[in-house]
Amino acid sequence: AQKVTQAQTEISVVEKEDVTLDCVYETRDTTYYLFWYKQPPSGELVFLIRRNSFDEQNEISGRYSWNFQKSTSSFNFTITASQVVDSAVYFCALSAYNNNDMRFGAGTRLTVKP
Amino acid sequence: SQTIHQWPATLVQPVGSPLSLECTVEGTSNPNLYWYRQAAGRGLQLLFYSVGIGQISSEVPQNLSASRPQDRQFILSSKKLLLSDSGFYLCAWSAGPPYEQYFGPGTRLTVT
Repeated sequence: AQKVTQAQTEISVVEKEDVTLDCVYETRDTTYYLFWYKQPPSGELVFLIRRNSFDEQNEISGRYSWNFQKSTSSFNFTITASQVVDSAVYFCALSAYNNNDMRFGAGTRLTVKP
Repeated sequence: SQTIHQWPATLVQPVGSPLSLECTVEGTSNPNLYWYRQAAGRGLQLLFYSVGIGQISSEVPQNLSASRPQDRQFILSSKKLLLSDSGFYLCAWSAGPPYEQYFGPGTRLTVT
């Protein structure tokens, strides 16, 4: 069975602080993919990143970075120098190879205060 | 580029009434299509997915149904709505697993 846990329900930071959103997953598959999505107040989910289980290199995209560690089954997301526009609900998701059933975590609501 | 449309954006329906939500995708052929429901403050629950015209897989037994009459059209229906059907319904497309899914703007359904 596949499962994604985002233990942080809500996080509040002040602008320019760094913040890390945690994601822990469970799967028996050896080939799988991990994703992060952003859901701003408008409601539409925005794709941020996809990672496969064989690539543990950290990824950086501007102020966003992702840390994938198979040893701890974690795929954490860090926002550096947060901005008010980063306020949203962030979802981590897991999908086995060739499986249409993408499992989402419950989401973490991030509020960045000016 | 690909775009995905959903309508209506919001809907208020009485219990027992029928439902039809529509999703269309532009700019791609033979996409995989998905319907999700998001209850207030919760994560996403996959309801249905389709890998081709007329091919529907149901993930959760309920009073909802889905149809795919055309390659880029996906419809979510119900004959009689329940209060528990209230939620935010999202349609998504992908090129197929393991690729990422791209989501539409969603339909907020309130059953009264």
